[in-house]
Amino acid sequence: TQLLEQSPQFLSIQEGENLTVYCNSSSVFSSLQWYRQEPGEGPVLLVTVVTGGEVKKLKRLTFQFGDARKDSSLHITAAQPGDTGLYLCAGVARETSGSRLTFGEGTQLTVNP
Amino acid sequence: NAGVTQTPKFRILKIGQSMTLQCTQDMNHNYMYWYRQDPGMGLKLIYYSVGAGITDKGEVPNGYNVSRSTTEDFPLRLELAAPSQTSVYFCASSYSHRVPSTDTQYFGPGTRLTVL
Repeated sequence: TQLLEQSPQFLSIQEGENLTVYCNSSSVFSSLQWYRQEPGEGPVLLVTVVTGGEVKKLKRLTFQFGDARKDSSLHITAAQPGDTGLYLCAGVARETSGSRLTFGEGTQLTVNP
Repeated sequence: NAGVTQTPKFRILKIGQSMTLQCTQDMNHNYMYWYRQDPGMGLKLIYYSVGAGITDKGEVPNGYNVSRSTTEDFPLRLELAAPSQTSVYFCASSYSHRVPSTDTQYFGPGTRLTVL
């Protein structure tokens, strides 16, 4: 079983601050996805990165896939209260058929007004 | 499109009872999945299906059963409920492309199950 470790587990910041969430593994992944989950709802896909070194931007969110495709990071600039939620990284292992995702434990982000 | 729907939203079971969690998707997706999410944790794959009539075990299949008789439905069965099965259960679906690693999984709203 491939293990995806996310850090930090909890993050509480003030509106306007920047933050970075990390997702690390000793395994190589074909792709890595980031999901955001709000209370009482299922996760919603934010982005998929597939190429080592790839950087994708989604408004104030910047996602990066490590060169060796073993790690990823999510950076949020000028966080807003609407960014509050559980952020999950999930990877598809290189040797896995289909679309079996391995999820990290999640980072619970709280942005205070 | 309703997307992925799950019923019930909440359920309380006594130890040893059985129940079926329903999942339906109207996006004509071939892949469907069941996950469980314990408090403050990520999701763990219970079972998945790559098409009607085909199912396979995920990370944590013990105590559960599934069937996939149609493309749309993927019910999850708990035969003898145990307190360890208290969790939130999510069903998801995806359409498998030629490059599977870029599939988007669409999740239902979840079923919150408590076993007492």
